[in-house]
Amino acid sequence: AQRVTQPEKLLSVFKGAPVELKCNYSYSGSPELFWYVQYSRQRLQLLLRHISRESIKGFTADLNKGETSFHLKKPFAQEEDSAMYYCALTGSGGGADGLTFGKGTHLIIQP
Amino acid sequence: ETGVTQSPTHLIKTRGQQVTLRCSSQSGHNTVSWYQQALGQGPQFIFQYYREEENGRGNFPPRFSGLQFPNYSSELNVNALELDDSALYLCASSLTGPGDTQYFGPGTRLTVL
Repeated sequence: AQRVTQPEKLLSVFKGAPVELKCNYSYSGSPELFWYVQYSRQRLQLLLRHISRESIKGFTADLNKGETSFHLKKPFAQEEDSAMYYCALTGSGGGADGLTFGKGTHLIIQP
Repeated sequence: ETGVTQSPTHLIKTRGQQVTLRCSSQSGHNTVSWYQQALGQGPQFIFQYYREEENGRGNFPPRFSGLQFPNYSSELNVNALELDDSALYLCASSLTGPGDTQYFGPGTRLTVL
């Protein structure tokens, strides 16, 4: 069964410090990995997906197949990065198996 | 471009009742997925519709059923409600098919008493 694990329920860092939100997954094939974000009072939205290899709002994530990880990183945190972050995967069935989400990490950026 | 909308915003039902939740997809999107998000958890996939056909289902019992209409709006129906069905129900639509980026609605908060 596919699974996404986000070991940190809460992560608090100071503004300007580096941020790393951890995500590990288990899947028997080649998954597609995503990070979704939910800012306060807003809906869940896509932050980035590994196949696009983009940097969004200064965040990057590298898929490490050997370690089955897809950690989200940002070198210098900003207060507006405070939000709930969810790592998710979909399988190789063209997305018909939906997204499997982790439980989320609440990121708090302190001034 | 109109985003994904869901109705109602909140709903309170009693155990054993039936409920219907509605979703309007983002304009032009032909795929809709439904998720259940319990408190403190990530969203869990219920099922997905692509061009009016169910084409994927998560680990939910048959009392969770759905429909997608020709205009790509969608319904989630839950029969014989249980206390554990209390959750936020999210709808997500995508433009070109199941593997595309999903755009989420604001959710419907269901409370079962």
